[in-house]
Amino acid sequence: GNSVTQMEGPVTLSEEAFLTINCTYTATGYPSLFWYVQYPGEGLQLLLKATKADDKGSNKGFEATYRKETTSFHLEKGSVQVSDSAVYFCALRFTGGGNKLTFGTGTQLKVEL
Amino acid sequence: DAGITQSPRYKITETGRQVTLMCHQTWSHSYMFWYRQDLGHGLRLIYYSAAADITDKGEVPDGYVVSRSKTENFPLTLESATRSQTSVYFCASGASGKGDEQFFGPGTRLTVL
Repeated sequence: GNSVTQMEGPVTLSEEAFLTINCTYTATGYPSLFWYVQYPGEGLQLLLKATKADDKGSNKGFEATYRKETTSFHLEKGSVQVSDSAVYFCALRFTGGGNKLTFGTGTQLKVEL
Repeated sequence: DAGITQSPRYKITETGRQVTLMCHQTWSHSYMFWYRQDLGHGLRLIYYSAAADITDKGEVPDGYVVSRSKTENFPLTLESATRSQTSVYFCASGASGKGDEQFFGPGTRLTVL
C-alpha cells in the first residue's frame, strides 16, 4: 500500500542552522508529494509541493526535490528562524486515489535563539 | 468569510453521547475530508466525499457517520462517543486536479470523558 515515513522528532536547532527533515514514500504509480506545516493551535497549511519526478518545490526558503530513484522528498532550509518552529508533515497523493492524501506522522521542529 | 470553518472549536462530552462536528467551506471544492490527529499517528483519514451525496470510508471510519447534502457542508457525527475518540479533528477541502492541495480548517478539540 501507500505510505510515508518521516524522521522522528523533535528536532531542535539553533537559529540560522541548516535544516533537513527526511521523508521517504512507498507508492505505486507517480504520486504527487506535499509538505504541510502546522503552527501551534492551528490547522495544516501547504508549504510546498511537487507533482512529478525531479520537480523542486519551494516556498519561504524551504525546498524539497521529488526523487523517484530514492523515493524521497526531503525538506531543507538553509537558515532556520525561531518562527519556523512548528510540526512538519510529508504527504503523498497517489495516482488514481482521487484527492486523498496519505500523511507521515509529522516531525516537530524547535528553533532556539 | 471565505475559507473553511469548523465548529465548535472545543467540545467536552461524555461517553455514549452523540456529537456532531460541523465543517463549512466557501470555495465550492468538490472534495471534503475528515481527519483525526493523535500523537504518534499523524493525521488519519476518517471519511471523505468526492461530491454532494457521495461519501466513502477512509482509514479509521468505525464509530463515525458523515453526510453531505450540500457541497459546502460536511458534518461528522459520533453516534455514541467513546474515550478513544478523544482527539483533534480536522476538516479539509480541495479540488480534484493532480497537484491540487487540500485546505484545512482550524480543528476541533474533542474530549470524551
